Amino acid sequence: GDSVTQMEGPVTLSEEAFLTINCTYTATGYPSLFWYVQYPGEGLQLLLKATKADDKGSNKGFEATYRKETTSFHLEKGSVQVSDSAVYFCALSGRGSTLGRLYFGRGTQLTVWP
Amino acid sequence: GAGVSQSPRYKVTKRGQDVALRCDPISGHVSLYWYRQALGQGPEFLTYFNYEAQQDKSGLPNDRFSAERPEGSISTLTIQRTEQRDSAMYRCASSLAGSTSTDTQYFGPGTRLTVL
Repeated sequence: GDSVTQMEGPVTLSEEAFLTINCTYTATGYPSLFWYVQYPGEGLQLLLKATKADDKGSNKGFEATYRKETTSFHLEKGSVQVSDSAVYFCALSGRGSTLGRLYFGRGTQLTVWP
Repeated sequence: GAGVSQSPRYKVTKRGQDVALRCDPISGHVSLYWYRQALGQGPEFLTYFNYEAQQDKSGLPNDRFSAERPEGSISTLTIQRTEQRDSAMYRCASSLAGSTSTDTQYFGPGTRLTVL
């Protein structure tokens, strides 16, 4: 079945460091891929998405490219800030019989120190 | 405009009691989804609706769980005879179009359920 495997955390970085959070997926057909973020005390917010192979999603300095050949959607940011401290979730939305449901990874806790 | 709202935000109940969790989606959104999130895990799908029709309830863990959306707007997730293993964050989301793989789901703040 459809699933997402996400790099385990926690990840601790200094401000202005480079961030990569790995995400790979298993899916039938061609899913859409998402990164959601949960800031402390808040709900899940969409960070970025890509709906077809080779698409790049970007927002707030974060980027992720949909790589069909490696079934990956890694999240990157060139220079993190303290305000980026949050839990990041990779997710996929399948097609066919599971249309509509999101499959989430376990989440990666990111802490950025000044 | 207003986002997805859920109530109550926190619910503590005793084992064996019934609970009802409410979700008010973004106005005009066709699809409404329910997820459950255990501590340290990602959300897991429970069920979803297009308008008032329940499209997929295969994620509901057993027959103590049910959901309805009678007028195609507000939805209620009901858990009967609660058990301690039902303790989790229950999240609701809505999306504008009928369920598609590309549409963005917007999440509410969640209801934290604790069963004693």
